[in-house]
Amino acid sequence: SQQGEEDPQALSIQEGENATMNCSYKTSINNLQWYRQNSGRGLVHLILIRSNEREKHSGRLRVTLDTSKKSSSLLITASRAADTASYFCATDGRVAGGSYIPTFGRGTSLIVHP
Amino acid sequence: DAGVTQSPTHLIKTRGQQVTLRCSPKSGHDTVSWYQQALGQGPQFIFQYYEEEERQRGNFPDRFSGHQFPNYSSELNVNALLLGDSALYLCASSLGRYEAFFGQGTRLTVV
Repeated sequence: SQQGEEDPQALSIQEGENATMNCSYKTSINNLQWYRQNSGRGLVHLILIRSNEREKHSGRLRVTLDTSKKSSSLLITASRAADTASYFCATDGRVAGGSYIPTFGRGTSLIVHP
Repeated sequence: DAGVTQSPTHLIKTRGQQVTLRCSPKSGHDTVSWYQQALGQGPQFIFQYYEEEERQRGNFPDRFSGHQFPNYSSELNVNALLLGDSALYLCASSLGRYEAFFGQGTRLTVV
């Protein structure tokens, strides 16, 4: 089963617009991570937010975390055609020894039209 | 730093065959995890290796096995391949409680 579930499944916007993706999860977490994947290749780590943080920024990315609602959002501002990709949230649903095992949702497919 | 490298990038195998996929972790990382990603789905955790031992395993049959070498590199072996094993196989390396870095994956097609 998948711990995180992204919403929407697909999002299509025009270049310059903002894109917002949401992630809901079921159990308590220590951290939540967002990844990007281009055309079914490897995942690129975007940002990690810890359970005691509420908001984090990285360039045009803004991530929020609401542990009371078990949800997170990823905002991409001033989107570009190059942002077209699938975006996944991953929660540390399991811990093996001292290492967390990211558990992924199905992802949001973002298309940015030039 | 080459990051996480996987080989091969693509391969095609026949049902019933066996396959071995390889992963070299990012420099300094000691933990390797393997994921299977079917088309249109998120990555599914297969297992994780640390100190040459399988530390945690996901819901995958025993046909899926692995190994970690003293230099932290890892192999994923799949026996008796099924059509449903066709997927992108991703390797991720990490160090302790920090973010996992992924390789570009191996695209396996079983025909």
